[in-house]
Amino acid sequence: DTAVSQTPKYLVTQMGNDKSIKCEQNLGHDTMYWYKQDSKKFLKIMFSYNNKELIINETVPNRFSPKSPDKAHLNLHINSLELGDSAVYFCASSQVFGVEQFFGPGTRLTVL
Amino acid sequence: GDSVTQMEGPVTLSEEAFLTINCTYTATGYPSLFWYVQYPGEGLQLLLKATKADDKGSNKGFEATYRKETTSFHLEKGSVQVSDSAVYFCALGGGSNYKLTFGKGTLLTVNP
Repeated sequence: DTAVSQTPKYLVTQMGNDKSIKCEQNLGHDTMYWYKQDSKKFLKIMFSYNNKELIINETVPNRFSPKSPDKAHLNLHINSLELGDSAVYFCASSQVFGVEQFFGPGTRLTVL
Repeated sequence: GDSVTQMEGPVTLSEEAFLTINCTYTATGYPSLFWYVQYPGEGLQLLLKATKADDKGSNKGFEATYRKETTSFHLEKGSVQVSDSAVYFCALGGGSNYKLTFGKGTLLTVNP
């Protein structure tokens, strides 16, 4: 049983397109996160939701819009994709803030 | 704000060598400290953690001790294996911090 799952695993698209990445966790956690990992492996938090409520928004361009339909899901929609959006995006979840987080396998986004 | 500094990589070792990856932190309050590992092509996995000063986290032969006096959480392993090749991230969270703050990651390559 996969604890935190993401789809798709790979996403290749053209500049200017809109795309979504889905995340689901079956751990019963209240808090979910999106991270961006660049080509140098630097990991930066983008958003955090607690019980479907946005808690952290780390100065991410408003082209990125997270949506949490329920506690178990946190999707990421990206409008007008740019070359600099190419990265690996990780979803994670935890029971409460700031403690052990469980990560999904990542979605490698390539913008051409 | 909170920050984590870990030694720059890459680190290349021969099998059975001793490993140390240094990590120091700056934080307000009393954070928990973590080491995460990312194997090639995968998401992050929690390797070990410590929640208070002088705690020692250990897992799979890796150890790290929470040293409040030196604000450090260095990762050690007595005898590395080829299968330990991965990127290692030091992180802090909890306390007054509502998110995990990651170091920049250290790439470890173990040669047979």
